[in-house]
Amino acid sequence: AQSVTQPDIHITVSEGASLELRCNYSYGATPYLFWYVQSPGQGLQLLLKYFSGDTLVQGIKGFEAEFKRSQSSFNLRKPSVHWSDAAEYFCAVGEESGNTGKLIFGQGTTLQVKP
Amino acid sequence: DSGVTQTPKHLITATGQRVTLRCSPRSGDLSVYWYQQSLDQGLQFLIQYYNGEERAKGNILERFSAQQFPDLHSELNLSSLELGDSALYFCASSVTVRGYNEQFFGPGTRLTVL
Repeated sequence: AQSVTQPDIHITVSEGASLELRCNYSYGATPYLFWYVQSPGQGLQLLLKYFSGDTLVQGIKGFEAEFKRSQSSFNLRKPSVHWSDAAEYFCAVGEESGNTGKLIFGQGTTLQVKP
Repeated sequence: DSGVTQTPKHLITATGQRVTLRCSPRSGDLSVYWYQQSLDQGLQFLIQYYNGEERAKGNILERFSAQQFPDLHSELNLSSLELGDSALYFCASSVTVRGYNEQFFGPGTRLTVL
């Protein structure tokens, strides 16, 4: 069965510092991978997605992620964090079998940004 | 604003009661998904409908049911509520069945069972 692991429950970085959020997945074939962000009291917003092709994916708000098949990872990065990036971040994988689009989410990583 | 609307925003009710959560997908989206977000279980897929038909089921309790109407809005019915049903319930919609272009999420309905 597919699964997603986000090893870091909580991360604190200083404003202007670089950021990397880790995501590992368990999947049989080429995965469909996503990163979503949830601000307090808000729904989930898609940051970026990987289906195939170039393993370095650019997203919104200056985020990027790299798909590494050998490591079963899809880590999210940002070179310089802004205070407004403080939120909860979810990695997700799209279901493999059947004709559905359900997403399987990791437990989430809460990002705190220090001034 | 994702274009997906959910009502109500907040719901407070008592154990044993029944509630209905409503979702209106983005215009033109045929797929509707329901997810539950709780502190202990995280974000979990409940159920998917595509153009009025159930397409996939996740960890949805038998006390819960859903449907998608001809106008494509969807309702999630939760009955015999327990304290553990307190959670944030999200609806998402997409154009396709697989939703791999993007699933657009609504703001959620926060359910509190007392």
